Amino acid sequence: EVQLVESGGGLVQPGGSLRLSCVASGFTFSNYWMTWVRQAPGKGLEWVANIKQDGSDRYYVDSVEGRFTISRDNAKNSLFLQMNSLRAEDTAVYYCAKNRGSGSYVDYWGQGTLVTVSS
Amino acid sequence: EIVLTQSPGTLSLSPGERATLSCRASQSIGSSYLAWYQQKPGQAPRLLIYGASSRATGIPDRFSGSGSGTDFTLTISRLEPEDFAVYYCQQYGSSPRTFGQGTKVESK
Repeated sequence: EVQLVESGGGLVQPGGSLRLSCVASGFTFSNYWMTWVRQAPGKGLEWVANIKQDGSDRYYVDSVEGRFTISRDNAKNSLFLQMNSLRAEDTAVYYCAKNRGSGSYVDYWGQGTLVTVSS
Repeated sequence: EIVLTQSPGTLSLSPGERATLSCRASQSIGSSYLAWYQQKPGQAPRLLIYGASSRATGIPDRFSGSGSGTDFTLTISRLEPEDFAVYYCQQYGSSPRTFGQGTKVESK
């Protein structure tokens, strides 16, 4: 059974940093692209970033480019999102997600971790 | 960036009725790289349809997807009580991957 378990969310002040983690199990992690998707309270889904199997390709939505970094550790079946210079508008539930093919649709989702940016 | 516009914003229907949800893209989506997801309150989204018309594993056949280019449709042939939820389309033909704003299917 595929499982994706996020951690690292919490309350942070504007301008601060946070590192999200996602531990994957139930599939060969190193064979798949992975993605972060976020959802602001009461709002829709927003694709944030994705990363190729070996980490050699990474893509970001414009609003986080230069502030967020997606990375992975295939030996530990783990996906990360380093978030710097956080803003109030980054407040959201962040979902770790497994892609089916080359950066394609998401076939499995984690339960999400809440990030709140507020003073 | 490809913008996806979903309509209507809210669909009020009764169990047993047919639901038709639309997703329109600002430019053509190559190879029908369009997916649909269902999300219920407090839950993560769930994949329903990929490749515009292929059902994901375990999805009932009352859910169907169609369309190509810029116009796509998700149809639920006969609504069951568990189908009342928010539905999102997503394109994965170009970066950044983008989602529509969602259509809420509510019980009338």
